[in-house]
Amino acid sequence: DAKTTQPTSMDCAEGRAANLPCNHSTISGNEYVYWYRQIHSQGPQYIIHGLKNNETNEMASLIITEDRKSSTLILPHATLRDTAVYYCIVLFKAAGNKLTFGGGTRVLVKP
Amino acid sequence: GAGVSQSPSNKVTEKGKDVELRCDPISGHTALYWYRQSLGQGLEFLIYFQGNSAPDKSGLPSDRFSAERTGGSVSTLTIQRTQQEDSAVYLCASSQILRAGWRETQYFGPGTRLLVL
Repeated sequence: DAKTTQPTSMDCAEGRAANLPCNHSTISGNEYVYWYRQIHSQGPQYIIHGLKNNETNEMASLIITEDRKSSTLILPHATLRDTAVYYCIVLFKAAGNKLTFGGGTRVLVKP
Repeated sequence: GAGVSQSPSNKVTEKGKDVELRCDPISGHTALYWYRQSLGQGLEFLIYFQGNSAPDKSGLPSDRFSAERTGGSVSTLTIQRTQQEDSAVYLCASSQILRAGWRETQYFGPGTRLLVL
């Protein structure tokens, strides 16, 4: 699976949009971009995923560049409960594929 | 079910004792995964079930670790003769398999925090 690069940490003001970048320059054509987050002392939580089109759900939006070498997760109105480590992963949707989390981005939402 | 559940949520045991950790996946999810996460570390894959069979056990760290799944649903991870280095959060995830070889998103449970004294 392709490797991803994310900033180590970022701060965000409560109520503002949080834009989390992810580089995945070695992504292959059949690999999906997934985002998970892990709030302190909780299990990882699925946020969103996409292949090449932009995606939106009730939690976030995912913007994937046309060349698919990078993406941005957007939390439209960050709340204090969004403070977590956010992980960007690329992988095939093959059964049995294991998830591997890199360092992720530690997001701190401040009042 | 509403989500993946795991029990117990916390387990403290003495070195050398056996422990059993349970995972109830989302109803209808054929695939089930066990991971562990040590403090401040990433995910470490342990084992993958497809139905009741385990085609990938490559992540089990030693023969003290075993897992089974019955009825295509509940799974139990057993650690025999626990050691202090087994202390970690044990996470279970499940996913649907939509067509041969392709799976959907993995959803995680809250984890079991194991502390071996």
